[in-house]
Amino acid sequence: DTGVSQDPRHKITKRGQNVTFRCDPISEHNRLYWYRQTLGQGPEFLTYFQNEAQLEKSRLLSDRFSAERPKGSFSTLEIQRTEQGDSAMYLCASSPKVTGLTEAFFGQGTRLTVV
Amino acid sequence: GNSVTQMEGPVTLSEEAFLTINCTYTATGYPSLFWYVQYPGEGLQLLLKATKADDKGSNKGFEATYRKETTSFHLEKGSVQVSDSAVYFCALSDPFGTSGSARQLTFGSGTQLTVLP
Repeated sequence: DTGVSQDPRHKITKRGQNVTFRCDPISEHNRLYWYRQTLGQGPEFLTYFQNEAQLEKSRLLSDRFSAERPKGSFSTLEIQRTEQGDSAMYLCASSPKVTGLTEAFFGQGTRLTVV
Repeated sequence: GNSVTQMEGPVTLSEEAFLTINCTYTATGYPSLFWYVQYPGEGLQLLLKATKADDKGSNKGFEATYRKETTSFHLEKGSVQVSDSAVYFCALSDPFGTSGSARQLTFGSGTQLTVLP
């Protein structure tokens, strides 16, 4: 296993379009997290899954955002009707249940640019 | 709520200089503390961690000690190298806090370090 994988690495989209990102966690990890990182800032928590259940959502996750993790494997993050303010790096992380956040591994991120 | 404040950058040092990046935190419970590093074009990597007061985390020559009395977790390295140039993030999780804080990392805004040869 080579770690947490995210696809695509870069996405440029026009304002108003929908985009979807994918995250493949480390295979034995049952916890999965999405974060957003804007330029010059630290990552901000968006949402958390344990297996297929979405257990936590930040108020940053407006109704234009939706995340899924079918069958507790890979996860997708969709942004509908993108706005310029959505331009950011979207990071995915995973961790095993036993160690939780003390052993979280991050992917390389998907950089979204809304023009 | 929980928060992390870290020293603003950018920080520019010569090779072999001593590094300190300050980090202080506010948490309602008993947090675990982390330093993450982000090299150019790459994702976040866990550099070191400490899960209870007075613990010292260390890795690759970097160290940080969990000081509950000063709510701090300062990052230090005795002799930096050009390859240490990166952005460093201090973060916490609060496993005994509210359910939300237990399931998320709270990050500082990051400190850009540039090491010159």
